[in-house]
Amino acid sequence: GENVEQHPSTLSVQEGDSAVIKCTYSDSASNYFPWYKQELGKGPQLIIDIRSNVGEKKDQRIAVTLNKTAKHFSLHITETQPEDSAVYFCAASIRAAGNKLTFGGGTRVLVKP
Amino acid sequence: DTAVSQTPKYLVTQMGNDKSIKCEQNLGHDTMYWYKQDSKKFLKIMFSYNNKELIINETVPNRFSPKSPDKAHLNLHINSLELGDSAVYFCASSQEARGNEKLFFGSGTQLSVL
Repeated sequence: GENVEQHPSTLSVQEGDSAVIKCTYSDSASNYFPWYKQELGKGPQLIIDIRSNVGEKKDQRIAVTLNKTAKHFSLHITETQPEDSAVYFCAASIRAAGNKLTFGGGTRVLVKP
Repeated sequence: DTAVSQTPKYLVTQMGNDKSIKCEQNLGHDTMYWYKQDSKKFLKIMFSYNNKELIINETVPNRFSPKSPDKAHLNLHINSLELGDSAVYFCASSQEARGNEKLFFGSGTQLSVL
């Protein structure tokens, strides 16, 4: 089955700096890669996603890049703000196999004011 | 209005007891899920139902039995609770029929087995 690894497990940045989280996946058939943000005491919330036919996608301060050959994808947050502090999860799935998302282990991001 | 709501939010119980967690979504979605998040924050899918039909059933002990009375509800019943069942359980939903993989999660049920 699919295996998703996520690094780093914790990330501390100064407000205004950029944050980058990297994930690798094992199943080359995976074609959908979402990122979820989980705030304390809440459920994960989708912040951005990318499909395998696209190399990069941007939404305001967040962007995701995908390298299918290397089976890597990354989340980039620019101009970080204290409200960006949360746990971020990457995930991967094979669309044709239903919506069985395999999540990475999570990255706890702390943005210091 | 809460899109995906699950009850209770906290559940503290003794080993060996039977308990249920309820989940309801008002988004009109056709697919619902149960995920387990352990103490290290690792999220793993347990079950998925599409239009009341079981689609995904991961390697979960058969003490866990999901029940979907209709498209808007997916409950989780757990028999003979064990210490290792302590975790946060998340319900989620999505609209598969439109090819939309976006999951909407509930706020979780923190289960503590003593």
